[in-house]
Amino acid sequence: SYELTQPPSVSVPPGQTASITCSGDKLRRKYVSWYQQKPGQSPELVIYQDAKRPSGIPERFSGSNSGSTATLTISGTQTVDEADYYCQVWDNNNVVFGGGTKLTVL
Amino acid sequence: EVQVVESGGGLVQPGGSLRLSCTGSGFSLNDYTMSWVRQAPGKGLEWVAALGGVGGSTYYADSVKGRLTVSSDNSKNTLYLQMNSLRVEDTALYYCAKQGSYDSFGFDYWGQGTLVTVSS
Repeated sequence: SYELTQPPSVSVPPGQTASITCSGDKLRRKYVSWYQQKPGQSPELVIYQDAKRPSGIPERFSGSNSGSTATLTISGTQTVDEADYYCQVWDNNNVVFGGGTKLTVL
Repeated sequence: EVQVVESGGGLVQPGGSLRLSCTGSGFSLNDYTMSWVRQAPGKGLEWVAALGGVGGSTYYADSVKGRLTVSSDNSKNTLYLQMNSLRVEDTALYYCAKQGSYDSFGFDYWGQGTLVTVSS
């Protein structure tokens, strides 16, 4: 079965750029979505189709997908961005989530 | 306004059954692929099952095949998850999630989740 690998944790000082990676076999051939989940809340879609932002998502969130790695980039990271982030794809009629990355802003 | 609201969670013994419901408003469930996604306490997201909007095809994670069944009642705009032969490892918060217009659009709306606890 298909697997997506994310780093368990990423730390970034406020105002700096955070990059969260998601790796999978030939990932470039799939569309990647990203979700933000804050403690006690439901996940929220922040990026779809590799790089598109849903309405209401700040411009500081961006995404890319190349080779076997997709990247979620948060520019000018704010303390409100501290959360768990998950990547997701469809593979053979199955939905696959990455293991999640805890972003700490300090 | 688009909303999905889950219900039906609770405490059940191993081997028992439970039926979860997810009622949509502001859209027609029949027009979109809908999924159930669960999250065990302190763990990550795990996709469980999906029901396609067009044709109604069903898809399941290997971990639940043969035990969980996804269905819908379009007249009630409600998605269901029938859970049989429940195991301790099925304990989780179960979310209902609406897919965007295409699979590549991601899950654009999520419910607040309903908690299933499997314990003796």
